[in-house]
Amino acid sequence: KAGVTQTPRYLIKTRGQQVTLSCSPISGHRSVSWYQQTPGQGLQFLFEYFSETQRNKGNFPGRFSGRQFSNSRSEMNVSTLELGDSALYLCASSLQIDSPLHFGNGTRLTVT
Amino acid sequence: DAKTTQPPSMDCAEGRAANLPCNHSTISGNEYVYWYRQIHSQGPQYIIHGLKNNETNEMASLIITEDRKSSTLILPHATLRDTAVYYCIVRVGLGNTPLVFGKGTRLSVIA
Repeated sequence: KAGVTQTPRYLIKTRGQQVTLSCSPISGHRSVSWYQQTPGQGLQFLFEYFSETQRNKGNFPGRFSGRQFSNSRSEMNVSTLELGDSALYLCASSLQIDSPLHFGNGTRLTVT
Repeated sequence: DAKTTQPPSMDCAEGRAANLPCNHSTISGNEYVYWYRQIHSQGPQYIIHGLKNNETNEMASLIITEDRKSSTLILPHATLRDTAVYYCIVRVGLGNTPLVFGKGTRLSVIA
């Protein structure tokens, strides 16, 4: 069974631009979560979706948004990029909300 | 969710058992203990989880004390590929709150 797929793998953007990251969960998984990882803050929770509904949201500004589609695929968007948004963005899927998370290898975003 | 305390780093000789401790003294009765690990440049990998009984799978064993205030992840025969950051997390079983990662333990397996 294919794992969680995140695209693109690497991305370079300029301050002020916006970016959309994509996540394809494991087949049959209905829950998708997003995390941001930086050397200083570690892994921080962004959002969690289940059946197209956002169930939980982390403590990030409104520039960070996400959505989940009917096929469970998910996207996250960051608008008006700042240098501090440079990070590894990780997506994880799970069969149900209380099932273990399975992570992709992330999208590394660099903002210049 | 309850907080966890882990040593920042540990070393283990290749082929020996690696025992990674985790303290979760404020754990609630309905909170599970989860273990994940993250190898450099990869996403975290699920290892094992448990509520109060000891658990074993093909990767590791999880030993939870009777009072549930601490647990130990055991990698029975550590290899160089087990070098990673190991995260111990407690979470309410019904998933009402997301997984919150701490700083974890950086395990170095030495040849």
